[in-house]
Amino acid sequence: DAGVIQSPRHEVTEMGQEVTLRCKPISGHDYLFWYRQTMMRGLELLIYFNNNVPIDDSGMPEDRFSAKMPNASFSTLKIQPSEPRDSAVYFCASQAQYNEQFFGPGTRLTVL
Amino acid sequence: AQSVTQPDIHITVSEGASLELRCNYSYGATPYLFWYVQSPGQGLQLLLKYFSGDTLVQGIKGFEAEFKRSQSSFNLRKPSVHWSDAAEYFCAVERAGGGADGLTFGKGTHLIIQP
Repeated sequence: DAGVIQSPRHEVTEMGQEVTLRCKPISGHDYLFWYRQTMMRGLELLIYFNNNVPIDDSGMPEDRFSAKMPNASFSTLKIQPSEPRDSAVYFCASQAQYNEQFFGPGTRLTVL
Repeated sequence: AQSVTQPDIHITVSEGASLELRCNYSYGATPYLFWYVQSPGQGLQLLLKYFSGDTLVQGIKGFEAEFKRSQSSFNLRKPSVHWSDAAEYFCAVERAGGGADGLTFGKGTHLIIQP
């Protein structure tokens, strides 16, 4: 298995632009998680899905952030409009129930 | 709310020396416990996990961790470190049972290996 796939690996954009991050989980995993990593706040859970349904989005910082999982093999995290404070590394992870989470390589987002 | 404390932000160890990284958690019940490692510019790789049973768990790369319920601790150890162990180490917890719940991470410990 190729593991969790994230794209793009790096994204540089200007304030106010829309940003879309993508994730392909490991096949057969029924949970998908989005995390954000910053120097100040460390690793934070943003949202997670079970069988494509959002279960807990309490970690999503603002209405500017939205996430979807239209099918079992694809999820997106969208920021619109982006702000400089959104600059971070965004990780996607997937998990089969009662097992550990497997992380993707992350997307490094820089908002100028 | 649950929390994870890694009291050491940085640790410097000589190559070949032993290592212990500390982790304490605050949780309503015994959670699932994990240690992850992150090399610069990379994602997180699982070193080991504790779900139940034997409180001393073995992981990859020669690491082990011991769960101590009375101390709410899950310290990571390695008897002899290698230069390739230099990385960021994260302790994490998850609610036990009833499916996945998302991980709560500590702030991490940066491990530096001296030659």
